[in-house]
Amino acid sequence: GIQVEQSPPDLILQEGANSTLRCNFSDSVNNLQWFHQNPWGQLINLFYIPSGTKQNGRLSATTVATERYSLLYISSSQTTDSGVYFCAVGRSSNTGKLIFGQGTTLQVKP
Amino acid sequence: DAGVTQSPTHLIKTRGQQVTLRCSPKSGHDTVSWYQQALGQGPQFIFQYYEEEERQRGNFPDRFSGHQFPNYSSELNVNALLLGDSALYLCASSERGTASEKLFFGSGTQLSVL
Repeated sequence: GIQVEQSPPDLILQEGANSTLRCNFSDSVNNLQWFHQNPWGQLINLFYIPSGTKQNGRLSATTVATERYSLLYISSSQTTDSGVYFCAVGRSSNTGKLIFGQGTTLQVKP
Repeated sequence: DAGVTQSPTHLIKTRGQQVTLRCSPKSGHDTVSWYQQALGQGPQFIFQYYEEEERQRGNFPDRFSGHQFPNYSSELNVNALLLGDSALYLCASSERGTASEKLFFGSGTQLSVL
């Protein structure tokens, strides 16, 4: 099956700093989504981005499908950005079986 | 606009018992997927329901079964509980056939098996 690797596994930032999270996947995919799991366990969908670039406020994401990686950029980080960021991929644009990476745990210090 | 709702939020069972978890999808969504998230891990796909039928299944034993009702809500049943079934169970919904089928998750049910 498809393998998903996220890096770094852990990241500690000072409030206001920028960061880049990476997701590598082992095979071609038609579905890629980024999620943020807050400290209370709630998973929030950040982006549906099988290819190209999208921006939403301080967050942006880029997926280069031909090279099998995706990047999540967080600018001017805030303490509320803390939590675990997951990349999830699937072979079908029909969102069914998504394969999740192990996540990047982000801690933003005030 | 109600999001994905799950019940109960927490549950404690003993080995060998059976459990039923419930999920109501986000308004306008017709597809429900269930995931298991062990502590410190990413969620793992259990199965997906659409039009009241199981459409896809992950690598989980037959002890895990489900159902989808005509109003699109869903249940996850786990029989003969094992200690290893302790995890956060997440329900996610989506709208099949849209250009970008973003997955929306509920807050989960934390199951502890003693």
